[in-house]
Amino acid sequence: EAGVVQSPRYKIIEKKQPVAFWCNPISGHNTLYWYRQNLGQGPELLIRYENEEAVDDSQLPKDRFSAERLKGVDSTLKIQPAELGDSAVYLCASRHRGTNTGELFFGEGSRLTVL
Amino acid sequence: DAKTTQPTSMDCAEGRAANLPCNHSTISGNEYVYWYRQIHSQGPQYIIHGLKNNETNEMASLIITEDRKSSTLILPHATLRDTAVYYCIVLTGTASKLTFGTGTRLQVTL
Repeated sequence: EAGVVQSPRYKIIEKKQPVAFWCNPISGHNTLYWYRQNLGQGPELLIRYENEEAVDDSQLPKDRFSAERLKGVDSTLKIQPAELGDSAVYLCASRHRGTNTGELFFGEGSRLTVL
Repeated sequence: DAKTTQPTSMDCAEGRAANLPCNHSTISGNEYVYWYRQIHSQGPQYIIHGLKNNETNEMASLIITEDRKSSTLILPHATLRDTAVYYCIVLTGTASKLTFGTGTRLQVTL
């Protein structure tokens, strides 16, 4: 069974440029999470989806960040425009409805460097 | 969710048991203890979880004290591939998200 797939793995952009990250969760997993991980820190939740509905986006900086999960499967996280402080690893995770609430499957992440 | 306290770093010789402690003195009766690890350049990986009984799976054992205020993750025979950051997380069964701290950086050496 394929795991959570994220792309791109690495992205280098100049500040003020837009960037997008894509996530394909494990088949059948209805809950999808986007986390951000700064260097030396643990991941922090940005947004959580239940199917196509964003049910917790309280930590998403909505002035420049947006996310979507149109058909309740794949998801895209966008930053526009990017700032220097957005340099981080963006992690996607998914969970099946019937599993323990704390058992998430993470992708390898997308490392963003903003110059 | 209750806060957890973990040592910043630990070392372990290959082949020996790695015992990673976690304090969660404010844990509530309905909160579980979860452990994840994150190998360099990878996403976090679920290891094990428990409520009050000790648990064991193919990856590790989880020992929770009787008062549930602390726990220990045990890797019985650590290998170099177990070098990672280990996160101890406490959350309820109905919690909607994992909240990570800074974890313990375990270095397994020859």
